[in-house]
Amino acid sequence: DVKVTQSSRYLVKRTGEKVFLECVQDMDHENMFWYRQDPGLGLRLIYFSYDVKMKEKGDIPEGYSVSREKKERFSLILESASTNQTSMYLCASRKGTNEQFFGPGTRLTVL
Amino acid sequence: QKEVEQDPGPLSVPEGAIVSLNCTYSNSAFQYFMWYRQYSRKGPELLMYTYSSGNKEDGRFTAQVDKSSKYISLFIRDSQPSDSATYLCAMKLGGGTSYGKLTFGQGTILTVHP
Repeated sequence: DVKVTQSSRYLVKRTGEKVFLECVQDMDHENMFWYRQDPGLGLRLIYFSYDVKMKEKGDIPEGYSVSREKKERFSLILESASTNQTSMYLCASRKGTNEQFFGPGTRLTVL
Repeated sequence: QKEVEQDPGPLSVPEGAIVSLNCTYSNSAFQYFMWYRQYSRKGPELLMYTYSSGNKEDGRFTAQVDKSSKYISLFIRDSQPSDSATYLCAMKLGGGTSYGKLTFGQGTILTVHP
């Protein structure tokens, strides 16, 4: 079974802190994605990566950056967390055009 | 206007009812259509995947795509309390890029009560 794991289920941070969200997949997928999910807005793509060290902006990249140093790991970084970044963050991975698998999500609260 | 619009619900139905979940889209270049189910405090999981107009059945679930009307639906027959979840439609453009992004609807919260 494909497994996508995220480092934390719940996270509470203060405004201005640097926040790292980690995602690891175990099925050698080349494509990895970070979304945020907010009520009434669905899933919105923040960044994606189609290979090691490659990254592409999604629909809402402002305030975020990413890192992909190894194929199995894709990190989302909030350089200076703000309250409007309070959200559920979902990581996903996919091989080619096949099924996209999601992690369990990290609920981030920024105070 | 959003590229994908989904009836927001919430939807509350009695056990055994037929449920209809719907999405419309504006971009005729979408070629792949998916329905994801998301239980509370979990990530979405793929329920149905189709790329052609018409119906696709899988047990109690039927996915319907009408490309001419830019409309997709998910029907759940004999709904069960275990079907209570958020349902998300998603679409992807055609073409050769293997990393083509999915565009999601807003999600519909479904509750099936015994």
